[in-house]
Amino acid sequence: GESVGLHLPTLSVQEGDNSIINCAYSNSASDYFIWYKQESGKGPQFIIDIRSNMDKRQGQRVTVLLNKTVKHLSLQIAATQPGDSAVYFCAEIGEYGNKLVFGAGTILRVKS
Amino acid sequence: GAGVSQSPSNKVTEKGKDVELRCDPISGHTALYWYRQSLGQGLEFLIYFQGNSAPDKSGLPSDRFSAERTGGSVSTLTIQRTQQEDSAVYLCASSQNPGRETQYFGPGTRLLVL
Repeated sequence: GESVGLHLPTLSVQEGDNSIINCAYSNSASDYFIWYKQESGKGPQFIIDIRSNMDKRQGQRVTVLLNKTVKHLSLQIAATQPGDSAVYFCAEIGEYGNKLVFGAGTILRVKS
Repeated sequence: GAGVSQSPSNKVTEKGKDVELRCDPISGHTALYWYRQSLGQGLEFLIYFQGNSAPDKSGLPSDRFSAERTGGSVSTLTIQRTQQEDSAVYLCASSQNPGRETQYFGPGTRLLVL
């Protein structure tokens, strides 16, 4: 089922450092995963996606890692910048594909 | 190109009133989704439209919620007899095709029920 929570985990990093945001997903049949970034007052913004036939995918300054054995997803942000401060959500689409099931989210704070 | 747009951006209403929220998906996108994001909660799926197929309404929380999509484009989410617990951000997303494709979100409508 969905992950919900009143208190989101927070990751604080120094500007220029690398960030790693983790996500555990629930459905072993899920085969498509997306990371979204949500800034205050805005809708979620697509960052990167990965399909279950891959275990790593790289974008510009971001890398997503997928470990299907332990149902774990991570987002790595290289050289984190103040503009990266936001809430980050992982989302999965299951075997019947269509609706996204979101994780609870992680707050990323970048200190200058 | 233009992204997903939603209106109004903010809506304040009194308990018991009906509200309509509008979504304009990205042109050419065949699939349209509604999600809700409550304060302190994650995003939860409400309803999904694909072409002329019957919508997937499995996420609608009660029969006070309904949605339609006219002409395969614009969608309206209606909440009847609003309750305070309906206060949330209502997000619309669209994807070019259904299934395992990226869903692009609009800015959301912030609904406050007094």
